[in-house]
Amino acid sequence: DVQLVESGGGLVKPGGSLRLSCASSGLTLSDYTMNWVRQAPGKGLEWVSSITSTGTSIYYADSVKGRFTVSRDNRKGSLYLQMNSLRVEDTAVYYCATDWVRWGQGTLVTVSS
Amino acid sequence: DIVMTQTPLSSPVTLGQPASISCRSSQSLVHSDGNTYLIWLQQRPGQPPRLLIYNISTRFSGVPDRFSGSGAGTDFTLKISRVEAEDVGVYYCMQATQIPFTFGPGTKVDIK
Repeated sequence: DVQLVESGGGLVKPGGSLRLSCASSGLTLSDYTMNWVRQAPGKGLEWVSSITSTGTSIYYADSVKGRFTVSRDNRKGSLYLQMNSLRVEDTAVYYCATDWVRWGQGTLVTVSS
Repeated sequence: DIVMTQTPLSSPVTLGQPASISCRSSQSLVHSDGNTYLIWLQQRPGQPPRLLIYNISTRFSGVPDRFSGSGAGTDFTLKISRVEAEDVGVYYCMQATQIPFTFGPGTKVDIK
């Protein structure tokens, strides 16, 4: 069965850092462009970042550019999101997704003092 | 950035009756490769999004045929021919034609 499982969320103070992981099983991660999408509490979906299958091309939303870094380890079947200089407005559930087909259950990041 | 709008934002529907959601983009979603990367996602309460339709009208595997997508250019529609209880949730259109990818605000479908 194909699964994406996010981890690494939690409570962090403004200005702090977190590293999210997305572990895959049942699929060959290197076949897919991978994406991070977030959803603030009670709000809609916001695209955060995408990374192509080999990591050659990487894209970020303007709202996170310069603060977040996406990476992947295809040998481990994992995707990562390093989040630095976190702001209150980064509070959200963060989902990883293949090319919009498979989605994880999400991990909650709360930025609060 | 391409702005996606949806109408209505809320749609109370009687079970067994049809529902329709409109999605409009601020510019054409036709990619240089000729495809139109307009996607419809369903998000049931407490669940992650689920892919329903991609490339305007192609139903993803396992999606019931009561869901259909149509449109072209900047105007798109998702139709549910007969709403069932399991269809309750929020529906998002999304464009994957141009970075940054953008989502509509969502349409909440619930039962009258």
